[in-house]
Amino acid sequence: RKEVEQDPGPFNVPEGATVAFNCTYSNSASQSFFWYRQDCRKEPKLLMSVYSSGNEDGRFTAQLNRASQYISLLIRDSKLSDSATYLCVVRSGSARQLTFGSGTQLTVLP
Amino acid sequence: DTGVSQDPRHKITKRGQNVTFRCDPISEHNRLYWYRQTLGQGPEFLTYFQNEAQLEKSRLLSDRFSAERPKGSFSTLEIQRTEQGDSAMYLCASSPGAGSYGYTFGSGTRLTVV
Repeated sequence: RKEVEQDPGPFNVPEGATVAFNCTYSNSASQSFFWYRQDCRKEPKLLMSVYSSGNEDGRFTAQLNRASQYISLLIRDSKLSDSATYLCVVRSGSARQLTFGSGTQLTVLP
Repeated sequence: DTGVSQDPRHKITKRGQNVTFRCDPISEHNRLYWYRQTLGQGPEFLTYFQNEAQLEKSRLLSDRFSAERPKGSFSTLEIQRTEQGDSAMYLCASSPGAGSYGYTFGSGTRLTVV
């Protein structure tokens, strides 16, 4: 079983739609959580950290459920520019490095 | 210094040749990471430096791979006797610390072994 699992998609949604991505992680000792965005043939870029209380950044809302070992990302009012692959990322308790999921591909259609 | 720099951006090499990639992290970041990414997968951890010390290496890093960060600034990743399976994007990232810090990635070096 992979340490971080995501639905690969693709998700194809119309502009203005709300879309949600889910991610599960296997290591209950995980302590830090992130969502990264990766455009085609580009490097991953940090979208937002995920905090236990949930957090919001504009149209993006991240949630963490430690009991279920589940992370989500909600994008409201999708824009064409949101088209990308979204990577769920976890740092386990003793690990110094981040572990990445395989990513969920989103295409926002006009 | 506005970000993480990697050189070269692209490298095509024949099987069996050696290649070396360079990474210049953000200057105030003492942690440097190398990852490898293949099509359709997320980045996979290869190795990690804190300052000049290589503190962790993945099992993915076979004996043909070696990384250095001699003065705690730039880092190099060398692959000896390249194989077709080494074809991938090699990403370097840096961070100012652990905990809740995410990484800043460089643009990567895309290696094609023919």
